Amino acid sequence: EPEVTQTPSHQVTQMGQEVILRCVPISNHLYFYWYRQILGQKVEFLVSFYNNEISEKSEIFDDQFSVERPDGSNFTLKIRSTKLEDSAMYFCASSERRAGEAFFGQGTRLTVV
Amino acid sequence: QKEVEQDPGPLSVPEGAIVSLNCTYSNSAFQYFMWYRQYSRKGPELLMYTYSSGNKEDGRFTAQVDKSSKYISLFIRDSQPSDSATYLCAMRDAGGTSYGKLTFGQGTILTVHP
Repeated sequence: EPEVTQTPSHQVTQMGQEVILRCVPISNHLYFYWYRQILGQKVEFLVSFYNNEISEKSEIFDDQFSVERPDGSNFTLKIRSTKLEDSAMYFCASSERRAGEAFFGQGTRLTVV
Repeated sequence: QKEVEQDPGPLSVPEGAIVSLNCTYSNSAFQYFMWYRQYSRKGPELLMYTYSSGNKEDGRFTAQVDKSSKYISLFIRDSQPSDSATYLCAMRDAGGTSYGKLTFGQGTILTVHP
């Protein structure tokens, strides 16, 4: 069964460092998303990406964040200068259609120390 | 008022019980409703996907949507210990300027004990 895969599963980084979280969405999907979940809190939307550009983003997704689809299969989230409060689970998701089912990856646990 | 409200529980039931999980919402533009199951430190796993009002059944799971009351439910019949997880409701609007952003509830922690 097709699935969304994310790497790494866990990343520890020093405050101020850049991190790149990687995702391989389901191959025929066209809409890609990043969400995050701070421990004990709701899953929160960060950004959606369609047709090689950001289509929607939340207030959380400030200038420190960027997304890229560098090739036909990968979808990345970059945090330029990590803060302690960026520590969370980051989930990638993809959909075949705008209003279709969204399938999530297993997440990357980011710990900023 | 929060856009999506979900009782975080925890909810503890004996094996074989019928479980009822609920969410209310305030945004009348929401048209697509999903239920996800999430095990500890794992990604949300899609269980049910429904559009607008009505019922949908899949095995032991039934999803109900009542748009007039802005209320959705997930019923689990014959609950099993393996159903123990956090259940998340999620919803999105019908399009327009939205590109599929999901709004989640807080999640309900369910424990099914043998």
